[in-house]
Amino acid sequence: KAGVTQTPRYLIKTRGQQVTLSCSPISGHRSVSWYQQTPGQGLQFLFEYFSETQRNKGNFPGRFSGRQFSNSRSEMNVSTLELGDSALYLCASSPGGADPSHTQYFGPGTRLTVL
Amino acid sequence: EDQVTQSPEALRLQEGESSSLNCSYTVSGLRGLFWYRQDPGKGPEFLFTLYSAGEEKEKERLKATLTKKESFLHITAPKPEDSATYLCAVQASSNDYKLSFGAGTTVTVRA
Repeated sequence: KAGVTQTPRYLIKTRGQQVTLSCSPISGHRSVSWYQQTPGQGLQFLFEYFSETQRNKGNFPGRFSGRQFSNSRSEMNVSTLELGDSALYLCASSPGGADPSHTQYFGPGTRLTVL
Repeated sequence: EDQVTQSPEALRLQEGESSSLNCSYTVSGLRGLFWYRQDPGKGPEFLFTLYSAGEEKEKERLKATLTKKESFLHITAPKPEDSATYLCAVQASSNDYKLSFGAGTTVTVRA
């Protein structure tokens, strides 16, 4: 079974631009979560989607947004990029469903550098 | 707010020298505790899920245990390929669908 895939793997942007990252979950998984990983803050939860609905959101500004499509693929968008947005953005998928205590499987991440 | 603290921050081991990593947590109702391994520049790789105090799980040279306030990851007779950052995360029953991570323990195993 193919794992979680994320595109692009690397991205360089300048301040003020916007960026869209994509995530394809493991086949059959309907829940997709996004995390930001930085050396100073570690792994921090951004949001989680299930059946095209956002079920939970972390403490990030409104510049960070996401969506999920009917095939469970997900995108996250960051508008008006700031230098501090440079990070590894990780997507994780899990089966979802009624019981939320499902293991999350992570993709390789997208390394975003903001200049 | 959920809190996860891992210790030590870094651990240098000789090949074959067994040791343990600690993950202490504060959460309002634990739904699950997760261990991941992360290599530089890669995404976290799932190792174990623990749900209740007293539970233990093993995989090759790794064994994870859980109490009501902490979890341990025991590495028995480590090899250089066990070098990685080990991450602990908790899922609270009050905040479903979200994992709260510790800062990780970076393990280096010398041959």
